[in-house]
Amino acid sequence: AQSVTQLDSQVPVFEEAPVELRCNYSSSVSVYLFWYVQYPNQGLQLLLKYLSGSTLVKGINGFEAEFNKSQTSFHLRKPSVHISDTAEYFCAVRTLSGGYNKLIFGAGTRLAVHP
Amino acid sequence: DAMVIQNPRYQVTQFGKPVTLSCSQTLNHNVMYWYQQKSSQAPKLLFHYYDKDFNNEADTPDNFQSRRPNTSFCFLDIRSPGLGDAAMYLCATSRVNGRSNQPQHFGDGTRLSIL
Repeated sequence: AQSVTQLDSQVPVFEEAPVELRCNYSSSVSVYLFWYVQYPNQGLQLLLKYLSGSTLVKGINGFEAEFNKSQTSFHLRKPSVHISDTAEYFCAVRTLSGGYNKLIFGAGTRLAVHP
Repeated sequence: DAMVIQNPRYQVTQFGKPVTLSCSQTLNHNVMYWYQQKSSQAPKLLFHYYDKDFNNEADTPDNFQSRRPNTSFCFLDIRSPGLGDAAMYLCATSRVNGRSNQPQHFGDGTRLSIL
């Protein structure tokens, strides 16, 4: 079965500092990976996705992620964060179950950006 | 703009009193999902519709039902809400077509409180 592990439940960082949110997955088949962001009292917004091709994926709001097959990782990075990046971030892997696509989410990482 | 709309944003109901949450979409996606998200947790898939085909997750309680009268609308019915059902309920849609791997689009959620 596929699964997703987000290694840090909380990441505090100062404004304009770089940040990395870690995500590891387990899968025995081709993987399709996603990062979503959730602001307070809102739904999930897609940041970026890896389906195939280049292992470095660029997303919205200056975020990027690198797919590393040998390390089964898909870490999210931003070189300089803003206060407005404070939110919950979810890594997810698409899985096939009973012939249907489903998303398996990690437990989430709360990014807190301080001035 | 095309989007996924959930109404209401906040819903308060009494213990044991049936409640219905609604979701509509203008994306013309063929799959609609309902997730339950409790505080500081990842979204948990309850069920989804692939067109008119209903797919229940194995661990979704019988207390939760869903209806999809047409492509645009999907409802979540909780027959007898308990205190443990207080959560954010997220609706999502995606287009699934053969091997297509389109990401899911989420609404802003309905936060359900039980008195």
